[in-house]
Amino acid sequence: NAGVTQTPKFQVLKTGQSMTLQCAQDMNHEYMSWYRQDPGMGLRLIHYSVGAGITDQGEVPNGYNVSRSTTEDFPLRLLSAAPSQTSVYFCASRVQGSTDTQYFGPGTRLTVL
Amino acid sequence: TQLLEQSPQFLSIQEGENLTVYCNSSSVFSSLQWYRQEPGEGPVLLVTVVTGGEVKKLKRLTFQFGDARKDSSLHITAAQPGDTGLYLCAGAKSNDYKLSFGAGTTVTVRA
Repeated sequence: NAGVTQTPKFQVLKTGQSMTLQCAQDMNHEYMSWYRQDPGMGLRLIHYSVGAGITDQGEVPNGYNVSRSTTEDFPLRLLSAAPSQTSVYFCASRVQGSTDTQYFGPGTRLTVL
Repeated sequence: TQLLEQSPQFLSIQEGENLTVYCNSSSVFSSLQWYRQEPGEGPVLLVTVVTGGEVKKLKRLTFQFGDARKDSSLHITAAQPGDTGLYLCAGAKSNDYKLSFGAGTTVTVRA
């Protein structure tokens, strides 16, 4: 198993550009989520999904869209990048419940100029 | 403001010393998890505690969930340089899928 994979590893955008961060898992997990990590703030939940076709907002959803057309993939779209979205983004997955082991991807470091 | 407050924010100790990291909240959680994260990588789950007063041991690491399920602690005995990393606590409330993370404690163990 590859676990949770994320691409790209690094990305630089200009303000106003759009892009999609890719996330895939091969563990047949129902629950997937996106977090951003900023210094001194821990991990903040952006969006999550409890299964294919179902998504919901987390703590900081503004400026981001998600979709879940398959169990394996959960892409995160930045509609119009802003410098405030400079961060490290992590995708995670788990079987379903909050006590299940959650597996994180290696992260995408995004810089918006 | 963070739902879970971790202290201290930074901790630097000598190899062989003991350390304790705290995770506190005014909210009740149905479960609490501890993760360790190394630079350039994603967090890795260390333990999940679900019962008030529960104590779990993982080699030299001891995790405790408070009786009221509002706080937790992580104690490392005889720390080693390999214990260096960012330690994060995360809690889930009853009937909620979402995890709330603390800001983390950066632990450095000097050889």
